Amino acid sequence: QVQLVQSGAEVKKPGASVKVSCKASGYTFTGYYMHWVRQAPGQGLEWMGWINPNSGGTNYAQKFQGRVTMTRDTSISTAYMELSRLRSDDTAVYYCARVVVPAAIVMDVWGQGTTVTVSS
Amino acid sequence: QSALTQPASVSGSPGQSITISCTGTSSDVGGYNYVSWYQQHPGKAPKLMIYEVSNRPSGVPDRFSGSKSGNTASLTISGLQAEDEADYYCSSYTSSSTLDVVFGGGTKLTVL
Repeated sequence: QVQLVQSGAEVKKPGASVKVSCKASGYTFTGYYMHWVRQAPGQGLEWMGWINPNSGGTNYAQKFQGRVTMTRDTSISTAYMELSRLRSDDTAVYYCARVVVPAAIVMDVWGQGTTVTVSS
Repeated sequence: QSALTQPASVSGSPGQSITISCTGTSSDVGGYNYVSWYQQHPGKAPKLMIYEVSNRPSGVPDRFSGSKSGNTASLTISGLQAEDEADYYCSSYTSSSTLDVVFGGGTKLTVL
């Protein structure tokens, strides 16, 4: 079945970087854009950006420009999201989500989420 | 502050119907038929319930329906069931230069 499996929880100090992985299975990885969304504790969803696994092209929310890098490794059907210069307000659950309808940005399959805690 | 406005909470009794609104602008909800709705149970990932305003993915009960009028989209759940108790988020494509997708702040649905 179509599945996205993310890496485990991380605890980081302010100023550090974190890299979250998202392994796809059950479909052609390069056929669908991958988006990243985060959710701070008790808060709503926040869109971070996307990567086109086929070309490697990316587009980031302006809020994260300069701090986020999305990459992929097609040989292992895995997408990555790296966030640098972490702050306490980056503490959140980070999700990857497959987009089945690119123009409408329909996120039909989600990873289980990766909790990132930023604390000194 | 979220880009799309949703009520913080709604409630209903089993068997009743409820509607959750999602208000945006002509740059997002009003300008495109690209509104989606997601259900999220505590500690779980969001689940797609409605896409492109009113389409249901396979496996989503037909008790869930979506619509749009002007800058406001709506999610209606009829025949409420206990398992419908969850948070619901709307999202929309946006023509903003700073991001592609905007989400609502979420609505907590309580089944009484």
